[in-house]
Amino acid sequence: QQQVKQSPQSLIVQKGGISIINCAYENTAFDYFPWYQQSPGKGPALLIAIRPDVSEKKEGRFTISFNKSAKQFSLHIMDSQPGDSATYFCAPPDMRFGAGTRLTVKP
Amino acid sequence: NAGVTQTPKFRILKIGQSMTLQCTQDMNHNYMYWYRQDPGMGLKLIYYSVGAGITDKGEVPNGYNVSRSTTEDFPLRLELAAPSQTSVYFCASSLGGEAFFGQGTRLTVV
Repeated sequence: QQQVKQSPQSLIVQKGGISIINCAYENTAFDYFPWYQQSPGKGPALLIAIRPDVSEKKEGRFTISFNKSAKQFSLHIMDSQPGDSATYFCAPPDMRFGAGTRLTVKP
Repeated sequence: NAGVTQTPKFRILKIGQSMTLQCTQDMNHNYMYWYRQDPGMGLKLIYYSVGAGITDKGEVPNGYNVSRSTTEDFPLRLELAAPSQTSVYFCASSLGGEAFFGQGTRLTVV
């Protein structure tokens, strides 16, 4: 049984637009909320992560926001670029990744 | 720092053959994982280990076996390869929630 539910499954954004991917979780004991990026032909790599003691963390164009009451955390990609085209995964503590979100940024 | 190293990168197997996918990490992580990823799909957990001598099944363990005799190595064994095992296999290790992945092994069973 998946501990997280990710949406949408796929996303197409124009260059310069904002990409938003959401991850809902059930277990309130989670204490680490990471997003992984998998570029074509490569293994996933940690993109950004947040602990529940903060509501938002920004690293360049990537922002992760955390809503404890809604049990949801989100990835925002500002000024999306074609190089951001990849599959993005949120990961629960049991490391059972879901299907991910395939992002395509059109030039 | 090499991180997680997988060998081989590519392999073609005939139906019924067996092979071992190698995975080594040099970060002294206790947790290690094996995943398979079919084309256009997500990651499915095959087996995982929380330390040397301890392994457990993931979501899709049938047709595979693992061992963990050292902290560094976590080989995945395929016995009697079947076309359904054609996939890309990723090994990972983790510490404090952050996982580090290898570059994958692309396996084709014909």
